[in-house]
Amino acid sequence: AIQLTQSPSSLSASVGDRVTITCRASQGISSALAWYQQKPGKAPKLLIYDASSLESGVPSRFSGSGSGTDFTLTISSLQPEDFATYYCQQFNNYPFFGGGTKVEIK
Amino acid sequence: EVQLVESGGGLVQPGGSLRLSCAASGFTFSSYWMSWVRQAPGKGLEWVANIKQDGSEKYYVDSVKGRFTISRDNAKNSLYLQMNSLRAEDTAVYYCARVGDFGGLWYFDLWGRGTLVTVSS
Repeated sequence: AIQLTQSPSSLSASVGDRVTITCRASQGISSALAWYQQKPGKAPKLLIYDASSLESGVPSRFSGSGSGTDFTLTISSLQPEDFATYYCQQFNNYPFFGGGTKVEIK
Repeated sequence: EVQLVESGGGLVQPGGSLRLSCAASGFTFSSYWMSWVRQAPGKGLEWVANIKQDGSEKYYVDSVKGRFTISRDNAKNSLYLQMNSLRAEDTAVYYCARVGDFGGLWYFDLWGRGTLVTVSS
């Protein structure tokens, strides 16, 4: 099974900061990668699919990039509502999620 | 309103069984693959099972094969997960999720709020 490694596992940032989260796949997965946001006690929410396509209704400050084995999720200007845990997910035969990155308030 | 609502979670003893349900509304349920995804307390997300629109194809994560069965009733707009031989490590919030229309790729574009399953004596 293809493993996904997210880094960092947690980070502290301030409102207005540019935040970058990385996700590395153990094998190439082309662009078959999604990003989700999860707030405490809530269900995950799809942000990005196909590595760089923004899901409808998601603010444009979120962007994704990468292909093959290395991917990034960028939040251009962190907002108060963005403090959450972010997961990457690959689809290669079966869905598999990364371990998550918790974005906390500095 | 487009939504998924899970039910059926609870406390069950190791070796016991539980059946989860997911009621879909606001969209054409029969047009979508559907999934169950779980999250152990304080842990990350784990895909559990998928089922095709007509129920003809089903896929499972290795850890639940032979113990869990995913099914659906399109006439009732409902998804199910029959869980047998439950283990402590099955303790988790179980989410019902819709596989979106992404050209055959399994991304989850709609999620329920989840139902908690606790396996303990």
